Amino acid sequence: SQTIHQWPATLVQPVGSPLSLECTVEGTSNPNLYWYRQAAGRGLQLLFYSVGIGQISSEVPQNLSASRPQDRQFILSSKKLLLSDSGFYLCAWSVGTAGNTIYFGEGSWLTVV
Amino acid sequence: GQQVMQIPQYQHVQEGEDFTTYCNSSTTLSNIQWYKQRPGGHPVFLIQLVKSGEVKKQKRLTFQFGEAKKNSSLHITATQTTDVGTYFCAATRLHNTNAGKSTFGDGTTLTVKP
Repeated sequence: SQTIHQWPATLVQPVGSPLSLECTVEGTSNPNLYWYRQAAGRGLQLLFYSVGIGQISSEVPQNLSASRPQDRQFILSSKKLLLSDSGFYLCAWSVGTAGNTIYFGEGSWLTVV
Repeated sequence: GQQVMQIPQYQHVQEGEDFTTYCNSSTTLSNIQWYKQRPGGHPVFLIQLVKSGEVKKQKRLTFQFGEAKKNSSLHITATQTTDVGTYFCAATRLHNTNAGKSTFGDGTTLTVKP
C-alpha cells in the first residue's frame, strides 16, 4: 500500500532562518507531488506541484522553493523565512491526471517567530 | 484561474440537526471530490463525483453533482460530534486535467454542539 511521510511535524524558526521540509512517498511510482500551505482556519493554497523528477511548477510567487531530487521525494525550502510563512504545510501525492484522489501527509506546523 | 466558491465558510449546528455545504464553479467541471479535515489533522478523501446529476451516499452523508456539472453539495443528516471538521471540495475543470489543476474550495468548517 502507498504511504506518505512528511517531517518534521512541528518546528519553530526565527525570522531570516532557512527552512527545509521533506516528504517521501512509498508504494507508488512517478507520482504527482504537491506542497500546500494552510493558514490557521483557512483553505488550502497550492504552492508547488511536480509531475516528475526536476519538474516543478510554482503556483504562488514567494520566498519558498521546491525540489524533487528523486522520484518519490519532494522538498520545500526557504533561504530566509518571513513571519508570513507561518502555517500548516501539507505534502500530497496523486497519480495520473488532475481529478484523481489526492493523498495528504500528516502536515508540518511551522511557526516563524 | 478557475474559481471554486464554497459556502458557507462556517456552520454551527446542534447535534442532531442537518448540515449542508455547497461548492460552485463558473465553469463546467470534469469531476469533483470532497475531503474532510478533522481539527489538527490533514484532509482525507471522502468521495468523487463524475457524472451529471450523480448522487452518492455514505451512511449519513449525501453527495450530489449538479446536472450542469458546475456545482455540488454535501449534506449530513442528523449531525454527530464526530462530524466536526472542515469539508473541502476539489474541482477539476473540464478539458483541463493536467496535474496540479484541481482547485480546492476554501472549505466549510462545521462545529457541532452536543
